[in-house]
Amino acid sequence: AQSVTQLGSHVSVSEGALVLLRCNYSSSVPPYLFWYVQYPNQGLQLLLKYTTGATLVKGINGFEAEFKKSETSFHLTKPSAHMSDAAEYFCAVTDTGGGNKLTFGTGTQLKVEL
Amino acid sequence: NAGVTQTPKFQVLKTGQSMTLQCAQDMNHNSMYWYRQDPGMGLRLIYYSASEGTTDKGEVPNGYNVSRLNKREFSLRLESAAPSQTSVYFCASSLTGMNTEAFFGQGTRLTVV
Repeated sequence: AQSVTQLGSHVSVSEGALVLLRCNYSSSVPPYLFWYVQYPNQGLQLLLKYTTGATLVKGINGFEAEFKKSETSFHLTKPSAHMSDAAEYFCAVTDTGGGNKLTFGTGTQLKVEL
Repeated sequence: NAGVTQTPKFQVLKTGQSMTLQCAQDMNHNSMYWYRQDPGMGLRLIYYSASEGTTDKGEVPNGYNVSRLNKREFSLRLESAAPSQTSVYFCASSLTGMNTEAFFGQGTRLTVV
């Protein structure tokens, strides 16, 4: 079965600092990988996804992620954090059994401080 | 543009009571899903429906039943609620295919006392 591991349940950065949220996946076949964001009391929305092709994927709100097969990683980055980035971030992988059943990591709560 | 709509938004149940969570999408998606979100555990799939007329169990189906009423609607039923089912429930929908985006509702916060 596919799985993802998110290192760090809570990450705190200063406004303007680099954001790095880590995600490692376990898959026996090339995966489809996603990052979702959840703002307080809301549902999840897609930040970006990797399917095939370019390994550096750009998403909304200045976020990007790089697929590294050799490291089985898909870390999320943003060069300069903004207060509005405070949210919970989930890495997810699609089940190779078919359909779009997502397997989520346990999430990383990002706090942005002045 | 409503997207995925869930009702109710909040619910408190007593142990043993039953209830149905409703979900509807207006994006003409074939696939629909029910997840539960618990602190420190991410989202876990309860049931999904790849297309109208089909449903399958996910990772944590025990204590739940689902109905895909039509292409738009996918309901989740708790027949006899237990405190362990206290959670936030999310419905989602997507087009068919492993690389497609899932769209989520706003969630239902359920407390079982």
